[in-house]
Amino acid sequence: QVQLVQSGAEVKKPGASVKVSCKASGYTFTSYGISWVRQAPGQGLEWMGWISAYNGNTNYAQKLQGRVTMTTDTSTSTAYMELRSLRSDDTAVYYCARGIAAAGLYYMDVWGKGTTVTVSS
Amino acid sequence: DIQLTQSPSFLSASVGDRVTITCRASQGISSYLAWYQQKPGKAPKLLIYAASTLQSGVPSRFSGSGSGTEFTLTISSLQPEDFATYYCQQLNSYLPLTFGGGTKVEIK
Repeated sequence: QVQLVQSGAEVKKPGASVKVSCKASGYTFTSYGISWVRQAPGQGLEWMGWISAYNGNTNYAQKLQGRVTMTTDTSTSTAYMELRSLRSDDTAVYYCARGIAAAGLYYMDVWGKGTTVTVSS
Repeated sequence: DIQLTQSPSFLSASVGDRVTITCRASQGISSYLAWYQQKPGKAPKLLIYAASTLQSGVPSRFSGSGSGTEFTLTISSLQPEDFATYYCQQLNSYLPLTFGGGTKVEIK
């Protein structure tokens, strides 16, 4: 079955970087995209960006431009999200989700279980 | 960026009730809207995309409608497993894929 398995929880100090992985299985990885969404404690969902697993094209949320990088490794069907210069307000659960693009429309149909990133000194 | 405003932000309802949640966009987004359900401690689940297309496996009591700037999610007969938080999201891939603020549905 289609599955996205994310890496484990991370604790980082302010100013550090974190890299979260998302391993896909059960489908042709390069036929879809991967989106990243985060959720701070008790808050709503925040879209971070997406990457095409076909050609590596990316689209990042303006708020995170310059601090976030999304990549894929097609040999292992794994997507990565790196966030740099971490601040306390980056503390959140980070989700990856499979993205379907069709006729200018992009939606996420399968989600990983989330990775908790805690930023604390 | 397009802003999505959901209303209400909280609603209390009983099993069997018909429930309607509204999502208003700050500018027209055609039918480029999705609805997700999220339960505590779990990842969101896609319910509807393209404003009214039911995702495979989602019960038919869920339906979506609207286009342009006003959209609704309707649950025709609320079931115990439907108590959750619901989010709308704009789906135009040329724009930021912003989410609405969420609507929490609780048991009356």
